[in-house]
Amino acid sequence: DGGITQSPKYLFRKEGQNVTLSCEQNLNHDAMYWYRQDPGQGLRLIYYSQIVNDFQKGDIAEGYSVSREKKESFPLTVTSAQKNPTAFYLCASSMVRGTGELFFGEGSRLTVL
Amino acid sequence: GNSVTQMEGPVTLSEEAFLTINCTYTATGYPSLFWYVQYPGEGLQLLLKATKADDKGSNKGFEATYRKETTSFHLEKGSVQVSDSAVYFCALIPNSGYSTLTFGKGTMLLVSP
Repeated sequence: DGGITQSPKYLFRKEGQNVTLSCEQNLNHDAMYWYRQDPGQGLRLIYYSQIVNDFQKGDIAEGYSVSREKKESFPLTVTSAQKNPTAFYLCASSMVRGTGELFFGEGSRLTVL
Repeated sequence: GNSVTQMEGPVTLSEEAFLTINCTYTATGYPSLFWYVQYPGEGLQLLLKATKADDKGSNKGFEATYRKETTSFHLEKGSVQVSDSAVYFCALIPNSGYSTLTFGKGTMLLVSP
């Protein structure tokens, strides 16, 4: 079945540690996205990528980094510079950027202790 | 800039009640409009969409009509079920150029038997 796989589903880390969240898609989509979801705040765009080896900052990129070395993969690193990293992180993809029709993974919940 | 405003939740209904979740938007030009649904512990799924004024999107008994004159895209369902309990997100994307979705903050719907 085609879809988006995020891992891990739950992650606990100590303050000051970098963590990497995995996102893999087998939909052959060009565009991929990372969103952060906090209670009462909706979804906020962290980074997006239209094509391999290219990505752009979203609205809240500070303290995060990404890479797009393969079309299928778009990992997100939450660095120690992110002041409030505890959140639910959602990865998504679309056939091309600009369609608005996104396919989402099931999310990764990061808790920093 | 672009923005989406949704009614605050939670919306609490009994099974078979009529549902309306209000959504209004601010955008330059004529965006495409979307409703996404998020079931507990999952990612978002596209529920329905409309790409131009007076279009009606529909899916799974849900409907929403693109109203340019009132800049609205209210979600309705004639008879809700317990299984409809979820968070509903209204979103827009400009039709010009390559852009990304702007989401509202989400409205939680709780349906009791």
